Amino acid sequence: NAGVTQTPKFRILKIGQSMTLQCAQDMNHNYMYWYRQDPGMGLKLIYYSVGAGITDKGEVPNGYNVSRSTTEDFPLRLELAAPSQTSVYFCASSSKGLAVEQYFGPGTRLTVT
Amino acid sequence: GDSVTQMEGPVTLSEEAFLTINCTYTATGYPSLFWYVQYPGEGLQLLLKATKADDKGSNKGFEATYRKETTSFHLEKGSVQVSDSAVYFCALSAPERGSQGNLIFGKGTKLSVKP
Repeated sequence: NAGVTQTPKFRILKIGQSMTLQCAQDMNHNYMYWYRQDPGMGLKLIYYSVGAGITDKGEVPNGYNVSRSTTEDFPLRLELAAPSQTSVYFCASSSKGLAVEQYFGPGTRLTVT
Repeated sequence: GDSVTQMEGPVTLSEEAFLTINCTYTATGYPSLFWYVQYPGEGLQLLLKATKADDKGSNKGFEATYRKETTSFHLEKGSVQVSDSAVYFCALSAPERGSQGNLIFGKGTKLSVKP
């Protein structure tokens, strides 16, 4: 049981490049989330999904896209990387929405230069 | 809107000292409250939670009590260890925001415990 896995661990992008951050969970959780963590700040929600085929915007969705074709996978796409997207990205999952533990992946540290 | 405010860090303590990290929140209705811990180089892990007023969450010697009258959820530990060095995040999940359950986080408090 691997929990929530994320790849890659680190990535450096040039401005304007695109990439996909991968996230997978093996706990059969319906709810999945993408957060970003900026230095000295708490995590902010980018996108979330309540089940396969259903996604919605969070607090800071601009510059990102997601898809959820399976219960296990929830990739995050950056289309035109900008320096403002330099951050640490965490994927999380939970069995239901409210009042339950979210399980976090180890994070992807992204630098855009 | 909903928000979480926690004490600024970093906090540096000697081993066996008493720890308090303050956390207050603003939310409509009755949120659930959480403390998450992030060890260096890792993702966040749930430390403890409370889902209604006067509930006390506890785990690994840490405790926090959900105080609705003061809108607070302060984290305490009687005797910290070097292994407790980490960043601690207070968070809430508010049903009025919808059932998706996304967490609203404080900025985090870095704790360093010296031997």
